[in-house]
This record gives sequence, structure tokens and C-alpha cells, in this order.
Amino acid sequence: EVVLTQSPATLSLSPGERATLSCRASQSVSTYLAWYQQKPGQAPRLLIYDASNRATGIPARFSGSGSGTDFTLTISSLEPEDFAVYYCQQRSYWLTFGGGTKVEIK
Amino acid sequence: HVQLQQSGPGLVKPSQTLSLTCAISGDSVSSNSAAWNWIRQSPSRGLEWLGRTYYRSKWYNDYAVSVTSRITISADTSKNQLSLQVNSVTPEDTAVYYCARENGYSSGQYYFDYWGQGTLVTVSS
Repeated sequence: EVVLTQSPATLSLSPGERATLSCRASQSVSTYLAWYQQKPGQAPRLLIYDASNRATGIPARFSGSGSGTDFTLTISSLEPEDFAVYYCQQRSYWLTFGGGTKVEIK
Repeated sequence: HVQLQQSGPGLVKPSQTLSLTCAISGDSVSSNSAAWNWIRQSPSRGLEWLGRTYYRSKWYNDYAVSVTSRITISADTSKNQLSLQVNSVTPEDTAVYYCARENGYSSGQYYFDYWGQGTLVTVSS
């Protein structure tokens, strides 16, 4: 099983600041990695697929990068609606999710 | 616009069978380009993929190793819906259960682009 480790567990930032979230895989997943956003009481929402492609309707302030074992989700300037939990997910070998990073208001 | 509407009981007794359905609108459960999944989420296990069913000239199923002996995912084409059964449940199966569509992208990989609303299932006597 491919283990995805996300860091930090919690990120405390203010609106307008830049958020940088990390996802590290226990073995290479090529670029077969997605990022999801989840708000309380809601299902996850696809943000980024294939490591760096924005899903339909996702604002340009969200960007993804990386390949192999190290991936990054960047939110260039946090909007109030961006405070949520973010998960990475790999589809290279079966399917696993990371443990999540909570982006909270500082 | 794809919508997934889940239904099923929120309370199941230990050792019994958990059964959920997911009604699909805006797409077909028999689609040749999608896969239909069940995922659960709990504080102790996080997001856990359970399995999928999909149609590519015939029906296929994939199940997570952790639940493969207890789980059945099936499609009802007449009702255009997806079903999940988990046998012999224990309190560790308490979670929010989601159905989700996997859609194919340019890389040839599949990701979850539509989700059901989630159903909290509690296993307790």
C-alpha cells in the first residue's frame, strides 16, 4: 500500500496569505495524484488532478506541483472560503488518501 | 449535471449487514468511461476507499484488501443506482459513507469528481 503523509497537520494563516501544503508518498506515484478540499459537513471536492491540473471551476489561486514522491498544493492568496481540510489521493497503486491538512484562520 | 443521492439506515447492530444505495442522475451506472465507488470516513481511519464497480463491455469490481471478505458493491441498471453491502459489521465500521464517481482524465487516470452527500452509519446495539 502506498502511504501518503501530509504536512503540516494544521496550518494557521490569515486571509490573503500564501498556503503551502505538502504530500509525500512512500513510493513513487508518478504524477497520479489529486488534491481535494473538504468543508465541515460536506463531501470532498476535487481541486487538482494529475498533480498539477486544476479541475473544472477551480480558481487559479489553487495550483499543484510535484512528481514521484513529493507534491505541493499552493493557495496563492487565501480567501475566507478556503479555510478547510485538504487531502491528497494517489491512484498509481490501488487507491489511498493522505491524512489531511487543516487550514485554519489565524 | 451529475447528482448522487444516497439512502440507507443510519444505525446498524453489530454482526448485521450494512446496506446503502446511491441513486445516480445525469450519468449512467453502465457508463463506459466512469467507475462508481464507495468511500468511508472516520476520525480513526480518515478517508478509506472501499471499492468500485464499473462496466467495460462486462462488469468489474475492485475491493480494498481491508474489507474484501465482507463487502459487495453492485449496480442496478434498471434503477440506475449503486449499492453497498458490508457484512458482519463491528463498531469499527462506524463512519460517514460516500458514493463517488471516478471520471477519466487525459493521463488515463481516474479521480473522484462527483460525490454523494454522505451517510453517517453508526454500528451499535
